[in-house]
Amino acid sequence: DAGITQSPRHKVTETGTPVTLRCHQTENHRYMYWYRQDPGHGLRLIHYSYGVKDTDKGEVSDGYSVSRSKTEDFLLTLESATSSQTSVYFCAISDGGGNYEQYFGPGTRLTVT
Amino acid sequence: QQQVKQSPQSLIVQKGGISIINCAYENTAFDYFPWYQQFPGKGPALLIAIRPDVSEKKEGRFTISFNKSAKQFSLHIMDSQPGDSATYFCAASIKTSGSRLTFGEGTQLTVNP
Repeated sequence: DAGITQSPRHKVTETGTPVTLRCHQTENHRYMYWYRQDPGHGLRLIHYSYGVKDTDKGEVSDGYSVSRSKTEDFLLTLESATSSQTSVYFCAISDGGGNYEQYFGPGTRLTVT
Repeated sequence: QQQVKQSPQSLIVQKGGISIINCAYENTAFDYFPWYQQFPGKGPALLIAIRPDVSEKKEGRFTISFNKSAKQFSLHIMDSQPGDSATYFCAASIKTSGSRLTFGEGTQLTVNP
């Protein structure tokens, strides 16, 4: 998985609790992305980062926040989890600089009860 | 707004046959069109990609055909094998917008032995 790890790999949480998912890369790539995957929707971009402390929203950013304090780590936080955020979350990386290719991590399965 | 539409949702092919998956896009600013392959419990893996300045790209048994005027592109898998059974996603991105990927809904391919 191109030097990308995600933690935790599985999590069950209750509605209203905060949740943080972590993506860690060893490739020193500039760009990092968070997507969610739901049946019938493919993957949808939540947030992305184009450098340390530089982030921007994707198409489904409501209810999510992100932070990137180091090149290698990109955190996704659900401030108050809802059942509609039950999904599989994927992190991806890209080195930019004319190279479009994105490589995905193994995913985190999150269930909000 | 679904900017990339993929069909069919599911496809069953006999071993040795040709698998064809189609995608159509709306945004003419897209300048990169990758295909991803995903096995159950894994992250999407980049399979093959094309840019709009060429009409076809072939890598082994996998070929992308691209029709810029029709805003369509397709994946052809020649001599399909049971090991090709997976979910396939088309996607599109724009380099100047951080190369954020917009995905199709996915096609579940089953290759029968």
